[in-house]
Amino acid sequence: DAGVIQSPRHEVTEMGQEVTLRCKPISGHNSLFWYRQTMMRGLELLIYFNNNVPIDDSGMPEDRFSAKMPNASFSTLKIQPSEPRDSAVYFCASSLVEDTQYFGPGTRLTVL
Amino acid sequence: DAKTTQPTSMDCAEGRAANLPCNHSTISGNEYVYWYRQIHSQGPQYIIHGLKNNETNEMASLIITEDRKSSTLILPHATLRDTAVYYCIVSNAGNMLTFGGGTRLMVKP
Repeated sequence: DAGVIQSPRHEVTEMGQEVTLRCKPISGHNSLFWYRQTMMRGLELLIYFNNNVPIDDSGMPEDRFSAKMPNASFSTLKIQPSEPRDSAVYFCASSLVEDTQYFGPGTRLTVL
Repeated sequence: DAKTTQPTSMDCAEGRAANLPCNHSTISGNEYVYWYRQIHSQGPQYIIHGLKNNETNEMASLIITEDRKSSTLILPHATLRDTAVYYCIVSNAGNMLTFGGGTRLMVKP
């Protein structure tokens, strides 16, 4: 099994640009999570999906952030417009419902 | 989710057992104790979880006190590759994990 796949692994962009992060969950998993990790705030849950449906997006910081899961094998996290304070490592994780979460390698985002 | 309290950092000699404590005094009856770890620059990795009985797998053992207000993760023979941040999390469902600061374990030769 390839595990959770995230792309890109590194992203450097300028303030105001749109950023799209991508995630492919483990085949057969029906829950998907997006997390953000910074030195100041640690690891925070942004949003999670069950069976492609967003269940809890209370962690999404503001309207500039949006996440979609058009099918069971793909999800995106979009930031538009990006700001320097969005610089962080963004992790995607997947699981079977109410089971162990498996994390991807993360995308390191730098907004200049 | 109930909050957990962990020491900020710990050291352990290579080959010795690493015992990582966690306090969760406000844990509810239906909440599990989960342990994850994060090796530098990698995503968090699941280690083990339990409800009230002690648990063991190929990675570690989890000892939960009878009153469930605290637990200890035991790495029986720590190696340099076990150097990581270890997170203790309580949750009534594996879906909702709230990560705290964790314990930074340094395994030294």
